[in-house]
Amino acid sequence: SQKIEQNSEALNIQEGKTATLTCNYTNYSPAYLQWYRQDPGRGPVFLLLIRENEKEKRKERLKVTFDTTLKQSLFHITASQPADSATYLCALGRGGSQGNLIFGKGTKLSVKP
Amino acid sequence: GAGVSQSPSNKVTEKGKDVELRCDPISGHTALYWYRQSLGQGLEFLIYFQGNSAPDKSGLPSDRFSAERTGGSVSTLTIQRTQQEDSAVYLCASSLTVDLTYEQYFGPGTRLTVT
Repeated sequence: SQKIEQNSEALNIQEGKTATLTCNYTNYSPAYLQWYRQDPGRGPVFLLLIRENEKEKRKERLKVTFDTTLKQSLFHITASQPADSATYLCALGRGGSQGNLIFGKGTKLSVKP
Repeated sequence: GAGVSQSPSNKVTEKGKDVELRCDPISGHTALYWYRQSLGQGLEFLIYFQGNSAPDKSGLPSDRFSAERTGGSVSTLTIQRTQQEDSAVYLCASSLTVDLTYEQYFGPGTRLTVT
């Protein structure tokens, strides 16, 4: 069955360091992948989308890579700040360009000052 | 502009009762999605709408769950004869179209507790 795994439930890093979150998938061939941020008690907020023909995408301090051979996406936050502390979710589209997103369980990032 | 709104924000109900959860999507968004999130779990897809029709209901956990959307806008998710395992946060999202390369905008969710 299709499966999405985010490497760890929690990641603790020091302010100023680069946070790297991993999303792996199996039995799946997505054309794109999305990353969302979720704060406690709130709905997820879209951050970035990367397509299968894009190796890397950047937005301010965020960088996403997509390796369809490894079936993996990496999400990086450079120069991390305590305000980056949140849960980060990766999501894959099912059923081609329509249908629904399948979400990973998320990685809770804590950035310590 | 206004984002996705959901009501109620919290709902406590007794086992066996029916509940209705409401979602107001962003104006002009044709796609609407329902998910639920249990403690420590990821988002579980329930159903999505394209306009007023629901092409995919495969995520609904049982026949106690149903959803409708009217006027291409407001949607209600109904759970009949609630069970304790239905306790979760129910999230609604809308998107400009059903094309999944468009971002989804989420509401704040309804926290349902079945006692």
